[in-house]
Amino acid sequence: AQTVTQSQPEMSVQEAETVTLSCTYDTSESNYYLFWYKQPPSRQMILVIRQEAYKQQNATENRFSVNFQKAAKSFSLKISDSQLGDTAMYFCAFGSGNTGKLIFGQGTTLQVKP
Amino acid sequence: DADVTQTPRNRITKTGKRIMLECSQTKGHDRMYWYRQDPGLGLRLIYYSFDVKDINKGEISDGYSVSRQAQAKFSLSLESAIPNQTALYFCATSDRQGARQETQYFGPGTRLLVL
Repeated sequence: AQTVTQSQPEMSVQEAETVTLSCTYDTSESNYYLFWYKQPPSRQMILVIRQEAYKQQNATENRFSVNFQKAAKSFSLKISDSQLGDTAMYFCAFGSGNTGKLIFGQGTTLQVKP
Repeated sequence: DADVTQTPRNRITKTGKRIMLECSQTKGHDRMYWYRQDPGLGLRLIYYSFDVKDINKGEISDGYSVSRQAQAKFSLSLESAIPNQTALYFCATSDRQGARQETQYFGPGTRLLVL
């Protein structure tokens, strides 16, 4: 069975600085996807970034980028130039290419301080 | 208008009551999912459906049932609610094809309190 682990329950960063959120996963599948979702206080789940496992190039979306280390089964999220609006809980998720199911990590609460 | 909607947004009920949470989507996706979120546990899959005739149990289906009334509608029922079903419930959809395949899009969530 797949598992996803986020080892940092809480983090904080000063506005305009860079922060990295960690995620590791375990799977025996070869066809899968990885995601980071953001959940602000509004509780809406918002897709931040997605990575296909077969792609070696790390995904980027504006200030958000990932460091995908397939052999190490690591998928960290880097947020550059942090903004107050980045304050939220962030979830890492593993998506099976076979079943379409998502397995979520426990979440990391990020606070951006002015 | 939102692509994935959930009703109600908030609900308070009593132990033993039957309640239904509803989800509708306008994204045209075949796949729909129900999750619950509990503090410290992330989101866990309750049920999922790949089309109207294909419904599957997730990792925590006990005490829940679902109905896929149409491609666009997927309802979650608690036959006899109990306090440990107090949680935030999310519906999600995904597409098997296309550039965003397997990406799940979430509704706004339903906060349920069982007294």
